[in-house]
Amino acid sequence: NAGVTQTPKFQVLKTGQSMTLQCAQDMNHNSMYWYRQDPGMGLRLIYYSASEGTTDKGEVPNGYNVSRLNKREFSLRLESAAPSQTSVYFCAASVQGSPYEQYFGPGTRLTVT
Amino acid sequence: DQQVKQNSPSLSVQEGRISILNCDYTNSMFDYFLWYKKYPAEGPTFLISISSIKDKNEDGRFTVFLNKSAKHLSLHIVPSQPGDSAVYFCAASIVNRDDKIIFGKGTRLHILP
Repeated sequence: NAGVTQTPKFQVLKTGQSMTLQCAQDMNHNSMYWYRQDPGMGLRLIYYSASEGTTDKGEVPNGYNVSRLNKREFSLRLESAAPSQTSVYFCAASVQGSPYEQYFGPGTRLTVT
Repeated sequence: DQQVKQNSPSLSVQEGRISILNCDYTNSMFDYFLWYKKYPAEGPTFLISISSIKDKNEDGRFTVFLNKSAKHLSLHIVPSQPGDSAVYFCAASIVNRDDKIIFGKGTRLHILP
């Protein structure tokens, strides 16, 4: 039982390149989230998905797209990476209707040069 | 505008003493509050929570106090141990509105030997 897994762990991109961050959970939770963590900024919600087939914008969605592929997987795509997207990205999952206790993955550290 | 505020970026406490981490919120609609703990290079993990119908919740060495009239909550750790050195995030939610949690910026706790 791995909980929430994220790939890759580290990534370096050049400005303008694209990439997809992968997230999968094996807890059978309905709700999934993508956050970014920047120094002094805490955790900011990028997108979330309350259930398979639905996605909603969070606080900082610009420059990102998401796909809820199935109940297990929720991916985050950067179409044209910018240095401002240098951050640590966390995926999380929770029981729908009980979102309070979210289970986080280990994070992806992304650097855009 | 920040809805959940942790005004102390860092705190140092002697091992064995009490650690008190503070959090203020501005949205009076919040009715569920959580604390998450984060070690370097790991995802945040849920620590303790409290509903707005209570003013105190205790779990072992960890106690969360809620003062609704002041829109203030605090996390007490007694006694503090070296493994408590981490970043602590305060978070808040509105039950049954959506599946989102609003996080504060975090407080880094250092436990001194």
